[in-house]
This record gives sequence, structure tokens and C-alpha cells, in this order.
Amino acid sequence: ETGVTQTPRHLVMGMTNKKSLKCEQHLGHNAMYWYKQSAKKPLELMFVYSLEERVENNSVPSRFSPECPNSSHLFLHLHTLQPEDSALYLCASSQEGAAFFGQGTRLTVV
Amino acid sequence: AQSVTQLGSHVSVSEGALVLLRCNYSSSVPPYLFWYVQYPNQGLQLLLKYTTGATLVKGINGFEAEFKKSETSFHLTKPSAHMSDAAEYFCAVRPAGTALIFGKGTTLSVSS
Repeated sequence: ETGVTQTPRHLVMGMTNKKSLKCEQHLGHNAMYWYKQSAKKPLELMFVYSLEERVENNSVPSRFSPECPNSSHLFLHLHTLQPEDSALYLCASSQEGAAFFGQGTRLTVV
Repeated sequence: AQSVTQLGSHVSVSEGALVLLRCNYSSSVPPYLFWYVQYPNQGLQLLLKYTTGATLVKGINGFEAEFKKSETSFHLTKPSAHMSDAAEYFCAVRPAGTALIFGKGTTLSVSS
């Protein structure tokens, strides 16, 4: 139990579907992140939220849309994805220093 | 720009042997440094971190790392490998006020 919970753990979606990934942290942290982990590629930082405001967006395609309604919750809304978007999506939170990660959502786009 | 280089994408050791995973960073100011471990289909688990103070940092599962500013290194070691140590290991740096920047990872294999 890391204090960061991601749902669902696995998701299969078609290219025309709309789905959302959810992340919840119970650590009282003020920053939350989305990372993408693809096979044989480094971890890619997608979005950073600090105090519920987006502070970083690393050239992520608009088919990925983050939402941070409060300091404990972070969503990643997905629509019209491509097969190359299949990956493990990791959520993390931090206050100072280390980030704590959820278990990830394994996304497969068919 | 800050960056992290992990030397060797794959390291193989025998059970009971020394584990040494190498990490070098580039940073204009002393950064925060971290090691994470990832088991298949899991998230990343923090092994240890260096922020300030003692340069030899002890972590979970018998791992430790030493911050060497002169060498810009933060290598991870464990005196005696166990089969359960087989996993992927990531070194990361956190420049002040930003998100973690990760290395490409090193896969550790442990044979009996």
C-alpha cells in the first residue's frame, strides 16, 4: 500500500472510445503527476499538477486530457487514442522530495 | 538541462554476489537523488533517497547508495543479492521545484 491508488488496473479500449483513468492519493501531498511507461522507452512525464493547477504539460497530444478537481484526485481522460498509446500509465504524488507511485493502469488500445 | 544516465541496461549477478547498479547525473546544483524499483506490472517503489546530509544513504531491502559530488554519481549497491531482487531499477533526479527525471532503467537478473 503506497497511499496512491489507481483505477482501473487494466483497460482495453477501441480507438473511438472515451475512457478515464483515476488516481487518488491519501498522503496529503500537494503535487500530482501522470507518467507514461512504454516498452523499451524511458518513463515520460506527461502532466504535473501543483496545488490543483497544471504547471507542466510535456507536449502531450490533446487526445489526453488531465483533470485535477482537488488535491487528492487526478484524472486522465482519454479519447480517440492510437495503438501506440498502449502503455502503463503511472500516477504519482509528492510534497517535498520523493514521489510515491500508484500501481499503474495497463492500457491497451485496439 | 538535468539528466540521469544509468550505465548498463541489464546487469546479471549470482545469488549472494555483490549488486552494483551505476547512476550518473548532470546538475548545476546539488539535486535530490532517488532510486526506485519496479516489479513486473507494478508501480515504482522508493528504495532510498538523498536530499542533504550524510552521503551514504541506506534504503529498504538491504540496498544503499552513496552520493559522490565530485563524480556526479549515485551508485546503488547491495552486498549479497537475493533472487527476490530481480526487477528493474530506476535512478532519478529532482531539480528544485520540478518533477522527477528518470534514467532509462537497469534490469537486474539474479541466478541461483
